[in-house]
Amino acid sequence: ILNVEQSPQSLHVQEGDSTNFTCSFPSSNFYALHWYRWETAKSPEALFVMTLNGDEKKKGRISATLNTKEGYSYLYIKGSQPEDSATYLCALTQGGSEKLVFGKGTKLTVNP
Amino acid sequence: GAGVSQSPRYKVAKRGQDVALRCDPISGHVSLFWYQQALGQGPEFLTYFQNEAQLDKSGLPSDRFFAERPEGSVSTLKIQRTQQEDSAVYLCASSYLPSASITPWEQYFGPGTRLTVT
Repeated sequence: ILNVEQSPQSLHVQEGDSTNFTCSFPSSNFYALHWYRWETAKSPEALFVMTLNGDEKKKGRISATLNTKEGYSYLYIKGSQPEDSATYLCALTQGGSEKLVFGKGTKLTVNP
Repeated sequence: GAGVSQSPRYKVAKRGQDVALRCDPISGHVSLFWYQQALGQGPEFLTYFQNEAQLDKSGLPSDRFFAERPEGSVSTLKIQRTQQEDSAVYLCASSYLPSASITPWEQYFGPGTRLTVT
């Protein structure tokens, strides 16, 4: 059974704080790692797709890194804002498969 | 442009009823996926279409679940004789490329249908 783990399960931070979450996954047969942001009552929104070991991607105040050899990815949010409050999901695709295998997500709450 | 849409957004069914959930993918997207998210869990894969062909249905939990995409566009997920354990958010996603083996491609998600079986 393919297991994608995310930690922490939930996180409360104050506006302006920087924060990060972890996604760990089996490194065998790795193809791509995806990060999504899912706000309540909205569609999950794709943040990043990463494939190469050492990949770093950035979108505004959010960035992500990837280590395929040890099987983890970090998502960083710099200077959190209340609108960053959402569940952040990571998902793995393996070679030869189109489906996404998701972790349970990290629920972020940013207090004003 | 229009994103992926799903209907209904909320559905309450009595145990034993049949339900049908609709997904309208982004126009021109070849691949279509269904996922199920139970409370406290991450989304789990149910089934995958490439155009009208259902290429993978390994995630469907029982033979009460049936999905179709007859013209390679709109898809319907049908659940027969609903049970309480079917209560979940059902997400649909579409993707432009026919295969992730060419390059990993974003899957664009709809807002989901929240099914509650009472």
